[in-house]
Amino acid sequence: GAVVSQHPSWVICKSGTSVKIECRSLDFQATTMFWYRQFPKQSLMLMATSNEGSKATYEQGVEKDKFLINHASLTLSTLTVTSAHPEDSSFYICSARDFGLAGYNEQFFGPGTRLTVL
Amino acid sequence: QKEVEQNSGPLSVPEGAIASLNCTYSDRGSQSFFWYRQYSGKSPELIMFIYSNGDKEDGRFTAQLNKASQYVSLLIRDSQPSDSATYLCAVNPTGTASKLTFGTGTRLQVTL
Repeated sequence: GAVVSQHPSWVICKSGTSVKIECRSLDFQATTMFWYRQFPKQSLMLMATSNEGSKATYEQGVEKDKFLINHASLTLSTLTVTSAHPEDSSFYICSARDFGLAGYNEQFFGPGTRLTVL
Repeated sequence: QKEVEQNSGPLSVPEGAIASLNCTYSDRGSQSFFWYRQYSGKSPELIMFIYSNGDKEDGRFTAQLNKASQYVSLLIRDSQPSDSATYLCAVNPTGTASKLTFGTGTRLQVTL
């Protein structure tokens, strides 16, 4: 149980283009999903919290117009990196909280998406 | 002061030994504590969580929590080369719903 998938697992794009990353909870409902970014040899940095049916909450310093998040259902959240630039190249990881485990705060991570912007 | 602090390591232990990983946190009201393992190039994998003071054991892993000292640790018994990874400590701070704050991780190397 508690499986989270991400697609694509890696993507290479040209500077100025947009890239969409999907995060799905496969065997549970996720009212809340989280998007992280991780640069080499650094820890995970939370970018935003995505709640089903409402606007995402962005962490300080994260541009909401650049990193568009949509959480349209209890099993799917998407992150779109708009007008990507080489400095956006990173490992993007989503996680999901199992709604069924009310009172617990474990987050289950997807396998991550490695984005390279040329 | 960082919210969650870990020694970056590397921590090197011989195969079969006990590895001890430590983490301190600044928010005294934190309620939930998690240990994740992350292999190079992969995403984190939940190993254990702990909520109450004391020890919690799961197989070769034992998590220890001391809220008074704001300290949480992970012990790995009978360490195996496959345990070589970065171990991330994560804390659910007060009033942040289900958000987690991660430490920078401790790199563990289990040597043959």
